[in-house]
Amino acid sequence: SQTIHQWPATLVQPVGSPLSLECTVEGTSNPNLYWYRQAAGRGLQLLFYSVGIGQISSEVPQNLSASRPQDRQFILSSKKLLLSDSGFYLCAWRLGDGYTFGSGTRLTVV
Amino acid sequence: QQQVKQSPQSLIVQKGGISIINCAYENTAFDYFPWYQQFPGKGPALLIAIRPDVSEKKEGRFTISFNKSAKQFSLHIMDSQPGDSATYFCAASGNTGFQKLVFGTGTRLLVSP
Repeated sequence: SQTIHQWPATLVQPVGSPLSLECTVEGTSNPNLYWYRQAAGRGLQLLFYSVGIGQISSEVPQNLSASRPQDRQFILSSKKLLLSDSGFYLCAWRLGDGYTFGSGTRLTVV
Repeated sequence: QQQVKQSPQSLIVQKGGISIINCAYENTAFDYFPWYQQFPGKGPALLIAIRPDVSEKKEGRFTISFNKSAKQFSLHIMDSQPGDSATYFCAASGNTGFQKLVFGTGTRLLVSP
């Protein structure tokens, strides 16, 4: 069966520090992968998507970047976090029409 | 044109009542309309989805009604239960190019006992 793993579950980071969030999927190959951010009380904003290794598309200009070093691995990074980067980060992959989301990472930048 | 507008922002329903959440879209290229349910601290989970070739889809207590001409769709939760208390997101994706899923802003549903 297909599963998606996302870690860490929670993270508190100081302003200006780097960030690395990892997402891996199991049970499938060449999945479309996505990073979403959900600000408190708000909807889901698509940040990045990837259709294959090394292929990253960015939806919004921001302080973040993404990489896909392996087929089933998707990484969200930042060199220097801003307060505005706080939020709930969700990785997702697409199976047919439906998206399956990971359990998310709650990032608080202090 | 990529937006999906969702209302209401929050909703309180008594146990046993009907919860109704509405969404509207503008992009006529959208051809897949899912609803997601999200509990606090968790990722959204697919609840039910519909395509424009049908006007209604029902799964248990959950029903999607779809009005293609009005470009609107809604989620009805019959016999609402306290366990249904969650945030609900409508979404839409198209049939051309890379089919990104565009989400509504979410509705926080509280079902009172």
